[in-house]
Amino acid sequence: AQSVTQLGSHVSVSEGALVLLRCNYSSSVPPYLFWYVQYPNQGLQLLLKYTSAATLVKGINGFEAEFKKSETSFHLTKPSAHMSDAAEYFCAVSESGNTPLVFGKGTRLSVIA
Amino acid sequence: GAVVSQHPSWVICKSGTSVKIECRSLDFQATTMFWYRQFPKQSLMLMATSNEGSKATYEQGVEKDKFLINHASLTLSTLTVTSAHPEDSSFYICSARDWGTLEGLGYTFGSGTRLTVV
Repeated sequence: AQSVTQLGSHVSVSEGALVLLRCNYSSSVPPYLFWYVQYPNQGLQLLLKYTSAATLVKGINGFEAEFKKSETSFHLTKPSAHMSDAAEYFCAVSESGNTPLVFGKGTRLSVIA
Repeated sequence: GAVVSQHPSWVICKSGTSVKIECRSLDFQATTMFWYRQFPKQSLMLMATSNEGSKATYEQGVEKDKFLINHASLTLSTLTVTSAHPEDSSFYICSARDWGTLEGLGYTFGSGTRLTVV
């Protein structure tokens, strides 16, 4: 069965600092991996996705993630945090692209001025 | 891009009444819709998967008679919480596979419905 582990339920960074949100996955087949952001009382917005093409994936708002098969990781990064990045971030995995997404527990990102 | 419109955004209902939540795919055909439930400060838990024209598949532990899902058309899926009780209060989110859109492989989410049962 597929699963996702997000290390760190809460990450706090200073404005302008590097953002690193960790995600490790478990899957019996090459996975499809996603990062979503959720603002309070809102749905999920797709940041980026990995679908077996380039291992370094660039997303919206300056975020990117690198798929590392040897480490079963798909960490999310952003070079310089902005106050508007404060939100909940979810990593998710799908094995076939037609099965429901399985989500990690989420990481709350706080950005300090 | 692909858009899923979810209504209502929030609803307050009395215990024992039923509430219907609608999700519409606006510019694509949603053959498959997933329904999730999210408790405060927690992740999304899959409740059920619905395919257009067939019965929904519920996850273990989800009461199918309480959470009625209808997916009668390629653009509309509904979740009805029947005989709601305070413990049903939660944030409900739908998600559709957006096949055939420019984005290709993707899952589009509705904006969510905050249900409060009093």
